[in-house]
Amino acid sequence: GESVGLHLPTLSVQEGDNSIINCAYSNSASDYFIWYKQESGKGPQFIIDIRSNMDKRQGQRVTVLLNKTVKHLSLQIAATQPGDSAVYFCAEPFAGGTSYGKLTFGQGTILTVHP
Amino acid sequence: NAGVTQTPKFQVLKTGQSMTLQCAQDMNHEYMSWYRQDPGMGLRLIHYSVGAGITDQGEVPNGYNVSRSTTEDFPLRLLSAAPSQTSVYFCASSYSRKSPLHFGNGTRLTVT
Repeated sequence: GESVGLHLPTLSVQEGDNSIINCAYSNSASDYFIWYKQESGKGPQFIIDIRSNMDKRQGQRVTVLLNKTVKHLSLQIAATQPGDSAVYFCAEPFAGGTSYGKLTFGQGTILTVHP
Repeated sequence: NAGVTQTPKFQVLKTGQSMTLQCAQDMNHEYMSWYRQDPGMGLRLIHYSVGAGITDQGEVPNGYNVSRSTTEDFPLRLLSAAPSQTSVYFCASSYSRKSPLHFGNGTRLTVT
């Protein structure tokens, strides 16, 4: 079936480095993607989203890139800080058409930032 | 704004007991949904609602009931708890299908 998944389960970086978290999707009709951050004991927190009519979107210290040709998106975090340590998910919340659909999350990538 | 509020934060049930997980949002969002998060399984959709009076099943609806009598509230009912329902439950809401979901902080449920 259609899926949204992640390439790497864990990522360790040094404080101040840039981090890149990758995500692949299989539904070519997907038109909206969201990145979430989840800290231990908390619910997923919205980071940034992107629609399929865009290739790139920037937020505060974060950039999401969308490559529709290879069905891949990435989250770049600039100057990673220890507070960025968390699990990061890409998600496609409204799979297909106009129906609510099922929320499709990958397993998540665990980002660990070392001081 | 409080966002999405879930109660209780923790709950322990015995097999066969029933309970209701509460979810309320103050953002006037039409879309609300319930997910469960299990280790190694990611987030899975249980039930969802696209507006007051409208609910539908998600990926894993068995053993759960929902109702949506108001825009603000979307309770999740466990009719007869089973150990397989031990999980962390998240409620979420969104403005539209092309808007981000906002999540509560979850209810950690243990069924013994």
